[in-house]
Amino acid sequence: SAVISQKPSRDICQRGTSLTIQCQVDSQVTMMFWYRQQPGQSLTLIATANQGSEATYESGFVIDKFPISRPNLTFSTLTVSNMSPEDSSIYLCSVQTSGSPTGELFFGEGSRLTVL
Amino acid sequence: QQPVQSPQAVILREGEDAVINCSSSKALYSVHWYRQKHGEAPVFLMILLKGGEQKGHEKISASFNEKKQQSSLYLTASQLSYSGTYFCGTEVGGSYIPTFGRGTSLIVHP
Repeated sequence: SAVISQKPSRDICQRGTSLTIQCQVDSQVTMMFWYRQQPGQSLTLIATANQGSEATYESGFVIDKFPISRPNLTFSTLTVSNMSPEDSSIYLCSVQTSGSPTGELFFGEGSRLTVL
Repeated sequence: QQPVQSPQAVILREGEDAVINCSSSKALYSVHWYRQKHGEAPVFLMILLKGGEQKGHEKISASFNEKKQQSSLYLTASQLSYSGTYFCGTEVGGSYIPTFGRGTSLIVHP
């Protein structure tokens, strides 16, 4: 299993500002991802965070809007840049670990962002 | 491409059974099932790989029909603790990174 700590758990932000979300994992991580979950909606993959290199973004998500860093195996940050009300969402860090069944994802509790 | 889940919502009494379906327009390599309780993180239930297998987890089991590109999640003798939103995730290329459906809300009443 894995324990994932995300900070902040929630925040209220002003339009046009940026916010950085941190994700720290307590286990050996093989893969690390960032998901977005809009109210009442599905889990949408934003990007795969790659250690020491640029993240791999899914269609519809770009680095300028969602810069991601992963300086080591167990830590990553996601920045939501130049926020608008449409960015109000829950952002979840997710990992696959070396000790878990193939494909099992562990999720953090999420960071709930409200943009005014 | 996002899989299609049905039904969107299910309301049950304790002890009743439910089936949640997940279908894809593409040939699947794996199907993943997760449950998310309100305000909590999604929790892994099981993964099924192509090969038409069926898996079980307590009173929750699932099947994967590779030919029909479908999976079904079976909840038998539902308990209050089964309430939550169930997501199926599908993956086509062996990466094990799923694309999730819109979810099925399951409410179990006493």
